[in-house]
Amino acid sequence: QVQLVQSGAEVKKPGASVKVSCKASGYSFRNYDMHWVRQAPGQGLEWMGIINPSGGSTTYAQNFQGRVTMTRDTSASTVYMELSSLRSEDTAVYYCARGWSDVLRFSDYWGQGTLVTVSS
Amino acid sequence: EVVLTQAPATLSVSPGERATLSCRASQSVSSDLAWYQQKPGQAPRLLIYGASTRATGIPARFSGSGSGTEFTLTITSLQSEDFAVYYCHQYNNWPPFTFGPGTKVDIK
Repeated sequence: QVQLVQSGAEVKKPGASVKVSCKASGYSFRNYDMHWVRQAPGQGLEWMGIINPSGGSTTYAQNFQGRVTMTRDTSASTVYMELSSLRSEDTAVYYCARGWSDVLRFSDYWGQGTLVTVSS
Repeated sequence: EVVLTQAPATLSVSPGERATLSCRASQSVSSDLAWYQQKPGQAPRLLIYGASTRATGIPARFSGSGSGTEFTLTITSLQSEDFAVYYCHQYNNWPPFTFGPGTKVDIK
């Protein structure tokens, strides 16, 4: 069965960076894009960007341009999301979510989420 | 950017009743609209894609309709496990992909 398992919770100071991992299993890793979506406490869902695990190409939301980097390790079937220059407003649960196809890019499977807390 | 609005923000419904949730897009998204259910402490769960296609394992009491800019999620005969927050999501015009602010369905 498809599984996306994310790394554990993180606590970071303002100005630091965080790198969250998402290990995929149960399907052909290279064939499905991966989205990253975040959710601040008590708030809605915010799309951050997408990575194609096959070629590594990425598209980021304008709100995160310059601060986010998405990478992948195909040998480990894992994608990574690194967010830099953290501020308190980046406190959120970060999700990876598999894209259904390269035409219909909604997400069908989601990771369990990783809580990132930014606090001095 | 396509802005999605959802109404109402909160819907109070008794178990066994019907719930009707609305999602409106600021411009046409064709039928590229999905609905997700989210319970506290859990990741979103895909319910509907293509505006009206139920995802695998989703009960028939969930149905979606609409196209263009107006969409509806209907839950007939609400069960206790259906009380949650529901988000609509457009994947037609990106970047960015966008989500609505959510509708919370709670027990009346």
